[in-house]
Amino acid sequence: QQQVKQSPQSLIVQKGGISIINCAYENTAFDYFPWYQQFPGKGPALLIAIRPDVSEKKEGRFTISFNKSAKQFSLHIMDSQPGDSATYFCAASSNAGNMLTFGGGTRLMVKP
Amino acid sequence: NAGVTQTPKFQVLKTGQSMTLQCAQDMNHEYMSWYRQDPGMGLRLIHYSVGAGITDQGEVPNGYNVSRSTTEDFPLRLLSAAPSQTSVYFCASSYQSRGVDGELFFGEGSRLTVL
Repeated sequence: QQQVKQSPQSLIVQKGGISIINCAYENTAFDYFPWYQQFPGKGPALLIAIRPDVSEKKEGRFTISFNKSAKQFSLHIMDSQPGDSATYFCAASSNAGNMLTFGGGTRLMVKP
Repeated sequence: NAGVTQTPKFQVLKTGQSMTLQCAQDMNHEYMSWYRQDPGMGLRLIHYSVGAGITDQGEVPNGYNVSRSTTEDFPLRLLSAAPSQTSVYFCASSYQSRGVDGELFFGEGSRLTVL
């Protein structure tokens, strides 16, 4: 049973469009929510992260929205570019633990 | 800096064989971990270590052993390979010695096929 559920599994967006990936979690002890980006043949790399004391965090074209009451968070990619084509993973962890739990991943393709 | 280095990048095993995946980091990170990546399953934690001499199980530890004799190295051993262990394996490290609320640095992965 996955503690972090991610959707959709795959996403196709036109260049310049908005890409939205959603995640939901069950464990209320989670207090750190990062997103990782993975290009083919490479390891994942940290993209952006949020803590539950804020509802939104923006870095360039990437924004995390966080809804603590619904136990959901999402990644928005504005003005999506072909170079954004990659697999995206949401994740969550608790400060009391030593494990980062990942969602199932979303394969994003941005068409030119 | 090399970061996190994994070897080998590719390996084919027969059922029942054993092998070790190597992982080394040169960032003096206390925390190291092994994940496996399977389609639709994301990344699942196998084992982790919060410092030399300290290891613990993750979500899917069965069939794997680890040890941490130095800060730099964290090898993953497959004791008796099974087709279900066909996967891409990632080693990751972090400067955090407790908790994982900082950046994880990943290696480039080791693709293992068990026939």
